[in-house]
Amino acid sequence: GNSVTQMEGPVTLSEEAFLTINCTYTATGYPSLFWYVQYPGEGLQLLLKATKADDKGSNKGFEATYRKETTSFHLEKGSVQVSDSAVYFCALSDRTDSWGKLQFGAGTQVVVTP
Amino acid sequence: DTGVSQNPRHKITKRGQNVTFRCDPISEHNRLYWYRQTLGQGPEFLTYFQNEAQLEKSRLLSDRFSAERPKGSFSTLEIQRTEQGDSAMYLCASSYQVTQYFGPGTRLTVL
Repeated sequence: GNSVTQMEGPVTLSEEAFLTINCTYTATGYPSLFWYVQYPGEGLQLLLKATKADDKGSNKGFEATYRKETTSFHLEKGSVQVSDSAVYFCALSDRTDSWGKLQFGAGTQVVVTP
Repeated sequence: DTGVSQNPRHKITKRGQNVTFRCDPISEHNRLYWYRQTLGQGPEFLTYFQNEAQLEKSRLLSDRFSAERPKGSFSTLEIQRTEQGDSAMYLCASSYQVTQYFGPGTRLTVL
């Protein structure tokens, strides 16, 4: 079956530091990949997505590249801010599953200190 | 901006009671999904609808859970005879194609 594995948190960084959150996946088909972010007390917000190999999703300074050869979709940001403190979820949706559901990783909490 | 809305935002109930949650999707989104999220975990899929048809149900969705989307617009999720293990955040999402957009969730606490 499909699965998503993320690096465990919490990840604690100083403001302006470089952030990387690793995400790898297993899929029977050819999935679309997503990063969602959950701020404290809020629902999930779509951060970025990529639908095919070598696509790069980007938003708000975050980037992730769909790497089919390594089955990875690592999230990066060059200079984090305190406002980036949140839980980040990697997820996939598989066309062989009629795009019916998202399979999520366990989430990675990021804490950015001033 | 009319995103996905969920009501109520919080629900506290006693074990054995029935509860019902409502989700209003983004207008014109034909797909609607329900997920459950427990503390420290990623959301887990429960069920989804395309228009009014319920196309898939997870094994997580026991017989005490039922979901409907009678007119292909809003959806309800009912939990009968609640148990303490049902305490979680219940998330609704909608989509037109692949990308799902989430509501703020309903936090259920079963005492």
